[in-house]
This record gives sequence, structure tokens and C-alpha cells, in this order.
Amino acid sequence: DGGITQSPKYLFRKEGQNVTLSCEQNLNHDAMYWYRQDPGQGLRLIYYSQIVNDFQKGDIAEGYSVSREKKESFPLTVTSAQKNPTAFYLCASSFEKDRVKSPLHFGNGTRLTVT
Amino acid sequence: AQSVTQLGSHVSVSEGALVLLRCNYSSSVPPYLFWYVQYPNQGLQLLLKYTSAATLVKGINGFEAEFKKSETSFHLTKPSAHMSDAAEYFCAVSGYTSYDKVIFGPGTSLSVIP
Repeated sequence: DGGITQSPKYLFRKEGQNVTLSCEQNLNHDAMYWYRQDPGQGLRLIYYSQIVNDFQKGDIAEGYSVSREKKESFPLTVTSAQKNPTAFYLCASSFEKDRVKSPLHFGNGTRLTVT
Repeated sequence: AQSVTQLGSHVSVSEGALVLLRCNYSSSVPPYLFWYVQYPNQGLQLLLKYTSAATLVKGINGFEAEFKKSETSFHLTKPSAHMSDAAEYFCAVSGYTSYDKVIFGPGTSLSVIP
């Protein structure tokens, strides 16, 4: 079945360490997104990519980095510069040419805890 | 700029009662509108979407929503709540162009009381 796989589901890191969250999709979607979810704040866009080897900053990109070397993969690195990294991270994808009508498909998320 | 508000961060209903979750949007032109549901520790799943074809939109699991341009609203309803409906619900808005990002509301947590 097609879908989005995020790994790991739970991740624990010490403060000051970089950590990379994995996101893989087999839906043949052009666009991929990373969202951060905090209680009571909804979803906030970190980065998005509409095509391979290209990506744009979202609303809260500081302290994060991404790459898009393959259509299927869009890993997110949470760097030590991110001041409050503990959160639930969601990866999503959609068809670019019909993005505004095409709904976002989400992975099941990675819960990152930094102590 | 587009924005979405959801009145009530938490709503409780009795099993079998009407579910009403409110969503209002701010946009200069009628946008595309979506409702997503999120179960604990999972990603979001599309419930339904409005894309100007019809003002009353039916979705999965018995949910429906009505687009009211005059009220800039897109409220989600279900005639009879089931225990399995307990979840977080997000309203979202998007513009027409590929440059428009999807904007999510803060979410409403629905509890169903047996």
C-alpha cells in the first residue's frame, strides 16, 4: 500500500546534539512538507519541497535543515541551534500540479524529546 | 493573509448527540477548505474538502460540513456521535495557486461521553 513512513516513532536526544528524522513516501508525490505540532498551536510549517533538489523555508525554519536528493525522501535535521526542539514532527506530501485541490497525506509522526 | 480560527479548543458531547465543530476563515476570495482528524500519536487524515463544487460536503465516518460564504464559515457536523469519534480535529484553508500554503487552525479536541 502507498503511504508515508516516518522513522523512528520516538526519538530521545541530549541537548546540543543534531538529530535527523526520516520521511519516505511511495505515493509518487512531487511535494513534501515538514510540520511541527505543539499542544494548542496546531501545525506550523518548517520546510517544504516542490521538486527534487529544491526546497523553501516555511514559517519556523530557524534551527532546522532539509535535503531533497530523491523524490521519495525528505529528511529533516534538527540542529543544536533549535532552541526548543521537543515536539511532534509530521511529514506530509501531495501532488504539486494539483496541490491546492489535492489533500495532504501525512505520516504517523516522530515524537522528539530533547533533554 | 489567510487565517483559520476554531472556536473551542475542547468540545465534549454525549454518545449519540450532535457533533458541531466550528471553523471560520479569513480570506479575500473563497478558498479551498479542509477538515482533518488526528487520533492520538498519529498523523492527520482527511475527513472532507470543499473545492467550490458544492456548498454541502460529505466526508468519511458520517461527517459533513457546509460552506457559508456570507459567514466565512465551514463548520463540521455529525448527527450522532460515536465513541470512536474522540480525536483532534483541524480545519485548514488554502488558496488557489501553487504558491499558497495550507494554513491550519489550532485544532479542537473532541471528547465523547458514554
